[in-house]
Amino acid sequence: EDKVVQSPLSLVVHEGDTVTLNCSYEVTNFRSLLWYKQEKKAPTFLFMLTSSGIEKKSGRLSSILDKKELFSILNITATQTGDSAIYLCAVGLNAGGTSYGKLTFGQGTILTVHP
Amino acid sequence: EAQVTQNPRYLITVTGKKLTVTCSQNMNHEYMSWYRQDPGLGLRQIYYSMNVEVTDKGDVPEGYKVSRKEKRNFPLILESPSPNQTSLYFCASSSSPGRGRKSYEQYFGPGTRLTVT
Repeated sequence: EDKVVQSPLSLVVHEGDTVTLNCSYEVTNFRSLLWYKQEKKAPTFLFMLTSSGIEKKSGRLSSILDKKELFSILNITATQTGDSAIYLCAVGLNAGGTSYGKLTFGQGTILTVHP
Repeated sequence: EAQVTQNPRYLITVTGKKLTVTCSQNMNHEYMSWYRQDPGLGLRQIYYSMNVEVTDKGDVPEGYKVSRKEKRNFPLILESPSPNQTSLYFCASSSSPGRGRKSYEQYFGPGTRLTVT
């Protein structure tokens, strides 16, 4: 059975802190790993990673994938209250030549950033 | 405006009464997918479709049906809803994932909150 596990499940920090969110997986036919941010409504896309060791960056957020050890991390530096959200990790499988078809998600990490 | 729409947004129904949740996208996307979200369980994929007439099971397909007769629409059908299908449902779409820059970005609909009593 394909499995994606995120840790921690919840995290409370203060503005300016740096956080690291973890996502580990045990799946067959890995194709990609994706990160999403979910505030009050629908998830929004952050990153997709397919190769080990290549860091993706977007402002204060960055992510890296380790396909040997089967995990990814999402780093947020200098956190702000607007970073408070659920962060979801998903692994793309069964792609038929594309980056994902089936997507298996982790439980999510609830991040709360206090002023 | 590029968007994914779902209807209805809220639905309360009774056990066994067939219902359909519609999903439509106006971006000519090939890939569409349905998810349910329950507290503590993250998102779980129900069904996905790589293109018209091509559908496949996600992690939790039991109790659901889908069809993809047109590119823009991907309805979710609950033939005989049960209380354990009470959940928040999201539809999403993307262009053929991985073919072309940004094509893998999924756009989500606003969600449908379903309660089955």
